[in-house]
Amino acid sequence: DAGVIQSPRHEVTEMGQEVTLRCKPISGHDYLFWYRQTMMRGLELLIYFNNNVPIDDSGMPEDRFSAKMPNASFSTLKIQPSEPRDSAVYFCASSQKGLTSGQGWETQYFGPGTRLLVL
Amino acid sequence: ILNVEQSPQSLHVQEGDSTNFTCSFPSSNFYALHWYRWETAKSPEALFVMTLNGDEKKKGRISATLNTKEGYSYLYIKGSQPEDSATYLCARRSPGSNYKLTFGKGTLLTVNP
Repeated sequence: DAGVIQSPRHEVTEMGQEVTLRCKPISGHDYLFWYRQTMMRGLELLIYFNNNVPIDDSGMPEDRFSAKMPNASFSTLKIQPSEPRDSAVYFCASSQKGLTSGQGWETQYFGPGTRLLVL
Repeated sequence: ILNVEQSPQSLHVQEGDSTNFTCSFPSSNFYALHWYRWETAKSPEALFVMTLNGDEKKKGRISATLNTKEGYSYLYIKGSQPEDSATYLCARRSPGSNYKLTFGKGTLLTVNP
């Protein structure tokens, strides 16, 4: 398996522009997570999906952020309009429901991340 | 402790040195602790998942221990090599959530040749 695939790997945009980040989870994984990594706050969970349904979006910073998962093999994270404080590395991760699900044992497999810079 | 905390924030060692660092977490409602290794410009990679008090896990020169009663885990690297240079992250299952992980800010290890 190719692992979790993210695109683009790097994005530079100007304040006010719309940014769309893309993720393809590992085939067969039924959980998908979007994280943001910054120096100040570390790795923060933004939202996660189970079987394409958003389960917890409490980490989404504000209404400018939205995420969708139209099918089991694709998800997007959109920022509209983007602001300089959104500059960060955005990771997508996926995992598979384990035999003893719900205990937090399942390993999450991370993509390479998208490095976003908003000028 | 309210959140997952890691110390030290960064560490420089010489090749061949053994080293260790700490992950502290709330001991209540504990389910599992994860360690990840994150090299610059690469994806965080899972090292260990630990669930039981007293657990010890080993992968090559890297090992980890877990104390759930007092809320800490140690990661040890024996005979550090330059390729061990990375950020080491720990995470625990967030209270009230089945799949959400709360990560520490990591320990950045630099091994000098």
